[in-house]
Amino acid sequence: DIQMTQSPSSMSASVGDRFTITCQASQDINTHLNWYQQKPGKAPQLLIYDASNLQAGVPSRFSGSGSGTDFTFTISSLQPEDFATYYCQHYNNLVSMFTFGQGTKLEIK
Amino acid sequence: QLQLQESGPGLLKPSETLSLTCTVSGASFSSTAYYWGWIRQPPGKGLEWIGNGYFGGTTYYNPSLQSRVTISEDTSKNQFSLRLSSMTATDTAVYFCAVSIQLGTFDIWGQGTMVTVSS
Repeated sequence: DIQMTQSPSSMSASVGDRFTITCQASQDINTHLNWYQQKPGKAPQLLIYDASNLQAGVPSRFSGSGSGTDFTFTISSLQPEDFATYYCQHYNNLVSMFTFGQGTKLEIK
Repeated sequence: QLQLQESGPGLLKPSETLSLTCTVSGASFSSTAYYWGWIRQPPGKGLEWIGNGYFGGTTYYNPSLQSRVTISEDTSKNQFSLRLSSMTATDTAVYFCAVSIQLGTFDIWGQGTMVTVSS
């Protein structure tokens, strides 16, 4: 099975800061990597698909990059509404399995 | 735009079987989505994929749950369902239904329903 390792598990930052987290796959997954935001008591929301494509309606301050085993998710300038938990997710289309990273909780400093 | 709503019991006793239904509104999900599925989240923890199905009956399950889980669709009712048998306290979680418009993702989610297993 492909394992997804997301880091860090939590961090604190201030409004206006640049925020970057990483997700590492245990083997080459091409660009089959998505990023979600989840706020307390809410369902996750898809932000980035296929490693770097911005989902419709998502602000351009969100971005993703990477391929193979190493991926990065960035918020260029944090807004108050961005404090949430972020998850990476891989879809293995060969066996139709979905794997989520452990999540990164972003808190206000 | 599709909207999803989970329904089912919020409290179960150990060893009972969980049955949840996801009702889709706004459009026919069989003509809009690539696949549909279930994800759960224990309190204070991360997301766990349970399983997903493709229209026509093909289903895939998380290996850790495969022996206890069954998911199915009823396109005539615009619904899909989850059954998880032999529930224990470790199955206590928020259960989400979701569908995929963007292949490889779950991009439309229900609000989630809390299921507690307790004697």
